[in-house]
Amino acid sequence: DAEITQSPRHKITETGRQVTLACHQTWNHNNMFWYRQDLGHGLRLIHYSYGVQDTNKGEVSDGYSVSRSNTEDLPLTLESAASSQTSVYFCASSVGSTGYTEAFFGQGTRLTVV
Amino acid sequence: SQQGEEDPQALSIQEGENATMNCSYKTSINNLQWYRQNSGRGLVHLILIRSNEREKHSGRLRVTLDTSKKSSSLLITASRAADTASYFCATDAGGNEKLTFGTGTRLTIIP
Repeated sequence: DAEITQSPRHKITETGRQVTLACHQTWNHNNMFWYRQDLGHGLRLIHYSYGVQDTNKGEVSDGYSVSRSNTEDLPLTLESAASSQTSVYFCASSVGSTGYTEAFFGQGTRLTVV
Repeated sequence: SQQGEEDPQALSIQEGENATMNCSYKTSINNLQWYRQNSGRGLVHLILIRSNEREKHSGRLRVTLDTSKKSSSLLITASRAADTASYFCATDAGGNEKLTFGTGTRLTIIP
């Protein structure tokens, strides 16, 4: 079955380190998204991509970067981890053909910056 | 900033009762979607309603949309223990599948 997977599921890192969270989908979806979820804020969009070599900034993009070198993967990099980036991160994908399709979410990565 | 605000923030009801959650949003939309999130899991899509639709049904779910009031409601009928989860509305303003989420309603079904 097609799916979207995130790795690792849990990560503890130190302030100032570079961290990369992986997201891989096997639906061949054009669109991929990264969100962070914090108590009281719901999900907020970090970066998104509508296809290979396309990346865009979301609502809370400072301190994060993404790259899209193939259809299946959209890794999220924290350039220099900060305590404010402690959060649960979700990757999602959608077809991207009609504007009326659902998003499929990964299981999330819980990141703690100490 | 959040596009959607869910109301109530938390809701507890007896199994078998109906649960109603509301969502208000700020800008015009192409469509509105509802998602469920079980504790410690990712979000799962429930239903999508287009801006030119007023009501939509899927199984025990009923969604309404009032674009003049910029609001939507999700009704879950005959609730079950398995419905215990957080529910989020999400809006797509531009039809580009970029979603803006509300803060969610935590629903607890008491057996």
